[in-house]
Amino acid sequence: EDQVTQSPEALRLQEGESSSLNCSYTVSGLRGLFWYRQDPGKGPEFLFTLYSAGEEKEKERLKATLTKKESFLHITAPKPEDSATYLCAVMNSGYALNFGKGTSLLVTP
Amino acid sequence: EAQVTQNPRYLITVTGKKLTVTCSQNMNHEYMSWYRQDPGLGLRQIYYSMNVEVTDKGDVPEGYKVSRKEKRNFPLILESPSPNQTSLYFCASSPGATYNEQFFGPGTRLTVL
Repeated sequence: EDQVTQSPEALRLQEGESSSLNCSYTVSGLRGLFWYRQDPGKGPEFLFTLYSAGEEKEKERLKATLTKKESFLHITAPKPEDSATYLCAVMNSGYALNFGKGTSLLVTP
Repeated sequence: EAQVTQNPRYLITVTGKKLTVTCSQNMNHEYMSWYRQDPGLGLRQIYYSMNVEVTDKGDVPEGYKVSRKEKRNFPLILESPSPNQTSLYFCASSPGATYNEQFFGPGTRLTVL
């Protein structure tokens, strides 16, 4: 059975204080690993797709990396507007998508 | 404007009264999916569809039905809703399964009394 575990559950950072979110996974035939951002009361917003170990993608202050067992979302010099819940998901060989429970990030000024 | 729309946005109903939540996308996407989101459990996939007339069960399909007769529409049907189906529901679509920049709808908050 596919499993996605995100840590920490919650993270509080000062503005400018860089950190990383972790997503550990087990999946039958990884087709892709995805990162989303979700603001309260809204649907998730796509950030990145990673397909194979060693792949990295960047967008503004965010950088996602992938190994065979986990993915990291690095946040460099975060700003208060980066506060949100960050979700990780894996797609298996049958095209089903399995989400982790998310990391709730709060960035204070 | 490219978007995924869901209706209704809010619904309060009673146990056993059949209901349908509609989902429509205007981006000609092939892959569509339904999720429910519950506190402490995260987003869980209910059903997904690779294309017209092709649907598959996700993690939590019990008590739900779907159909994909047209590419743009993917309704979620609850034949006999129960209180444990009270949840926030999201529909999503993407150009293809593996090109998975999924676009999510605004959500439907369902309460079953």
